[in-house]
Amino acid sequence: EVQLVESGGGLVQPGGSLRLSCAASGFTFSSYDMHWVRQATGKGLEWVSAIGIAGDTYYPGSVKGRFTISRDNAKNSLYLQMNSLRAEDTALYYCAKDSSGSYRGLFDYWGQGTLVTVSS
Amino acid sequence: DIQMTQSPSSLSASVGDRVTITCRASQSISTYLNWYQQKPGKAPKLLIYAASNLQSGVPSRFSGSGSGTDFTLTISSLQPEDFATYYCQQSYSIPYTFGQGTKLEIK
Repeated sequence: EVQLVESGGGLVQPGGSLRLSCAASGFTFSSYDMHWVRQATGKGLEWVSAIGIAGDTYYPGSVKGRFTISRDNAKNSLYLQMNSLRAEDTALYYCAKDSSGSYRGLFDYWGQGTLVTVSS
Repeated sequence: DIQMTQSPSSLSASVGDRVTITCRASQSISTYLNWYQQKPGKAPKLLIYAASNLQSGVPSRFSGSGSGTDFTLTISSLQPEDFATYYCQQSYSIPYTFGQGTKLEIK
């Protein structure tokens, strides 16, 4: 059974940093692209970052230069380093597995999320 | 970036109704369109991928269609467990983007 368990969320001041983690199990982690997707309370979904199996990384303009996605295949873990945090980064952050193969960018499994609150 | 627009934003319906939700892309995305269901306090769940392919385990009352810029999600006969928020998402190009969501409520 695929399981994704996020951790590392919390309260941080504007301009601060936070590192999220996602522990993966139930599949061959190293063989799949992985993503972070966030959702502000009562709002819609926003894709935040992706990392390929070769370590290639991708970001939308809203977080590029501030967030860094990484993975440790030996530990079956995904990370998101978030720097220069802003109030608008406040959200529930989900770790999501990509279906990969010939059809990428499809989120077939999701964790339960970890809450990040940016406030003074 | 490709903008995804869903309509309606909210919808009231009854058990047994047939419901259709529409998603429009700001440019052609072929069939790189996916649908997710999200219930309160839960993570999104993949329903349909590549516009019309049912994810394993998803009931057959759910179906998807469309290509290019216009897509639809249809629930043929609403069940009580279908009341949720539905999101479309394009996987044609990065940044991947979602529609704003359609909240399906009980009438």
